[in-house]
Formats: sequence, structure tokens, C-alpha cells
Amino acid sequence: DQQVKQNSPSLSVQEGRISILNCDYTNSMFDYFLWYKKYPAEGPTFLISISSIKDKNEDGRFTVFLNKSAKHLSLHIVPSQPGDSAVYFCAVHLGNQFYFGTGTSLTVIP
Amino acid sequence: DTGVSQNPRHKITKRGQNVTFRCDPISEHNRLYWYRQTLGQGPEFLTYFQNEAQLEKSRLLSDRFSAERPKGSFSTLEIQRTEQGDSAMYLCASSPPTSGGPYEQYFGPGTRLTVT
Repeated sequence: DQQVKQNSPSLSVQEGRISILNCDYTNSMFDYFLWYKKYPAEGPTFLISISSIKDKNEDGRFTVFLNKSAKHLSLHIVPSQPGDSAVYFCAVHLGNQFYFGTGTSLTVIP
Repeated sequence: DTGVSQNPRHKITKRGQNVTFRCDPISEHNRLYWYRQTLGQGPEFLTYFQNEAQLEKSRLLSDRFSAERPKGSFSTLEIQRTEQGDSAMYLCASSPPTSGGPYEQYFGPGTRLTVT
């Protein structure tokens, strides 16, 4: 049973434009939501997180939005840069466990 | 801060053999996680340690898998009688102490296991 879904396997965006990555989850009890970035041959790197009691968190070019009623999480990257090209995973937290989505491969075109 | 390290980086073994992987977390990180990742999937939770105590283990984890974290420092993951389906990237992550979130984890580079 997939607790977290990232329905877009890939996304291409022009440099300087906005990248929007989406994630849907099933369990309203999740208390934290996170985004990770992964380059080839490396482990995932933490980007940004949001608590279930908030609906927006911003860190520089990265903003995470949480829509609890829709059980939907999104990551906005503005402006997108070629170095942002990577696979992005959303993750949700409950108890001692994390559940990860299948990832979205972002390509930022110069 | 040298980051999370994992050894070996690659392991090729024959079906039926036992393998052991090691993870060295960031010093003073009391929480440690093991994950398995296959192609096209996200990391799948295997087990969680807080200090030396194994507090959580995935229900999907076969009893051929065992993990330890003696003295609450490095951790080992052993797979006995390996099967071809065990071929995957095994990731280790650590987190600092916290009374609440955010729960960011610091991942190692992973150990890629190939079972032939």
C-alpha cells in the first residue's frame, strides 16, 4: 500500500522559471512532511520540511505548501537553476517511520 | 562533520551467501535508520535505532535481515542466505536528538548489493 505518491516521474523546466513538484499522501495522521533531493551515486539530501500544523514553509528559493484537506504536498522552486536538476523525493513521518514517494526527476534546461 | 559513511560501497555476492554492511553515522546523532531502494522507487524503511535500541522494524522485513547498533555508534545490517530479490541499494541515515521535528535525516552514499 503506497502511503505516498508522486504521480509525475519527470518534469522539465526552463532556467529561471518556477518548478512545481507534487506529492499526495493517504494518512491524515502524518505529522511531518519533507522533501529530499538526490543526485546520481549519492544519498538523498534534505531540502525542506513542514509540520502538519502549518501550511507553508519557505527557505530561500524553496517553498513547501501543505494542503491537509486534499492530503497534498508541493514543492516550489523559484527561480529554477540548472544545478537543481536531480530526483526529488517527498517523505512523510509518523511515529518512528518515514515513507517516501517514488520520486520526480527534474531537469532544468539552461 | 564528515557525514554518514557506508562500507562497502558495492558488494557482489552469490545467492545463498551472507553479507554484512556497515554504517557510521554523524557523531552525536543518536538516531539511525536503514532503508532499501530499488530502481524507480523511493527509499523503503527497514529499521530504526535510537542509541543502541532497535525501536522499529518494518513488518515487511524478512527474518533473514538483522541489524545491530552496539554501543549506539556504528550499525551493521546483515542479510543471510541472500536471494536475487535482495539486490538493491541499502541506505543508512542518521538524525540528531530532537524532542520534536523537523526530522531531517542525513543519508550516506549507500551500499549497492548485487546478488548473482
